[in-house]
Amino acid sequence: NAGVTQTPKFQVLKTGQSMTLQCAQDMNHNSMYWYRQDPGMGLRLIYYSASEGTTDKGEVPNGYNVSRLNKREFSLRLESAAPSQTSVYFCASNPRPYEPQHFGDGTRLSIL
Amino acid sequence: QKEVEQNSGPLSVPEGAIASLNCTYSDRGSQSFFWYRQYSGKSPELIMSIYSNGDKEDGRFTAQLNKASQYVSLLIRDSQPSDSATYLCAGTIYRGTSYGKLTFGQGTILTVHP
Repeated sequence: NAGVTQTPKFQVLKTGQSMTLQCAQDMNHNSMYWYRQDPGMGLRLIYYSASEGTTDKGEVPNGYNVSRLNKREFSLRLESAAPSQTSVYFCASNPRPYEPQHFGDGTRLSIL
Repeated sequence: QKEVEQNSGPLSVPEGAIASLNCTYSDRGSQSFFWYRQYSGKSPELIMSIYSNGDKEDGRFTAQLNKASQYVSLLIRDSQPSDSATYLCAGTIYRGTSYGKLTFGQGTILTVHP
């Protein structure tokens, strides 16, 4: 049982390049989330999708877009990468809003 | 004030001792609380959930919730070196369109020394 799968695990980009981070869950969860984690800043919510067909901004959405492709998949896109977006990105999912979230292994993204 | 705050760390305890981790939250609409453990370079792993006032025990872990004081804690009994990690407190905050979103504290680094 894979749970939440994120690809890629590591990526280096140059400033201005674009990239899409992929996330898929096989637990039939309704809600999915994207976070970034930076030293001293904790986990911060970028975007979330409460259910298939809906997306909403989180705490730090600027510079990102998301797509809830279907119930399983939720992607995060950086249109024009900036060094400030260097971070570890985590995708998470849960069956319903008040239930625990399950995290993927993360994507470590460096932007030069 | 941050929505979820954890007491300043890092915390260092000897093996076999009780580690006490604390968290306060600002929004009285908060409904659910979770403790996650995160090893260096790894993703957060759920260790405890608590939804109502009182204590909840699971093995060596006890979570405590006091909604009147807006306080959540995690006790780790008989601490082991393998418990050394960052512990994240998180709560779901209800505020209109913020329904169900999880807010994390900054984390407390715990070191258990032999």
